[in-house]
Amino acid sequence: DAGVTQSPTHLIKTRGQHVTLRCSPISGHKSVSWYQQVLGQGPQFIFQYYEKEERGRGNFPDRFSARQFPNYSSELNVNALLLGDSALYLCASSPTANFDIQYFGAGTRLSVL
Amino acid sequence: LAKTTQPISMDSYEGQEVNITCSHNNIATNDYITWYQQFPSQGPRFIIQGYKTKVTNEVASLFIPADRKSSTLSLPRVSLSDTAVYYCLVGDSPSGGSYIPTFGRGTSLIVHP
Repeated sequence: DAGVTQSPTHLIKTRGQHVTLRCSPISGHKSVSWYQQVLGQGPQFIFQYYEKEERGRGNFPDRFSARQFPNYSSELNVNALLLGDSALYLCASSPTANFDIQYFGAGTRLSVL
Repeated sequence: LAKTTQPISMDSYEGQEVNITCSHNNIATNDYITWYQQFPSQGPRFIIQGYKTKVTNEVASLFIPADRKSSTLSLPRVSLSDTAVYYCLVGDSPSGGSYIPTFGRGTSLIVHP
């Protein structure tokens, strides 16, 4: 079975631009969570979506938004990119909305110049 | 928010047992403790999860004292491939019921030949 897949793997943007990152969860998993991981730090929670509804939100500005589609895939959108948005963006899926084991993708490396 | 504290780094040698302790003084009653392993440029990978006492699987053991204010991940007979960052994750439920998974800063384990 395929694991969590994320696209693209790498991305370079300039300040002020917009970016969309995509995630496909493991088949049968209905929950998708997004994390930002800055070099040298642990992953920081951004959003959790379950059954297409936002179930949790971390301490990120409104420039960050996400959605989940009927097939449970998800997109993370970041507007007005700042240099500080450069990071590894991780997507994780789990079967339910509860505190389950999370299965992470390899991430999207975003560089903002 | 529940915070976790781990040693920043640890060194060991092949064949030794490694114990990594995580402090989580404000753990909530219904929170589980989950440990993840992360290699460079990869997403975290689930190792083990527990609620109390001791849990063991094919790769690790997790010891949780009665007060649950800390937990210890035990890796038996480590090899070079165990060199990675290890994260302790405790669920966090601020008022309003939203689940905020909070990773610690992680422990960088280096296994020497």
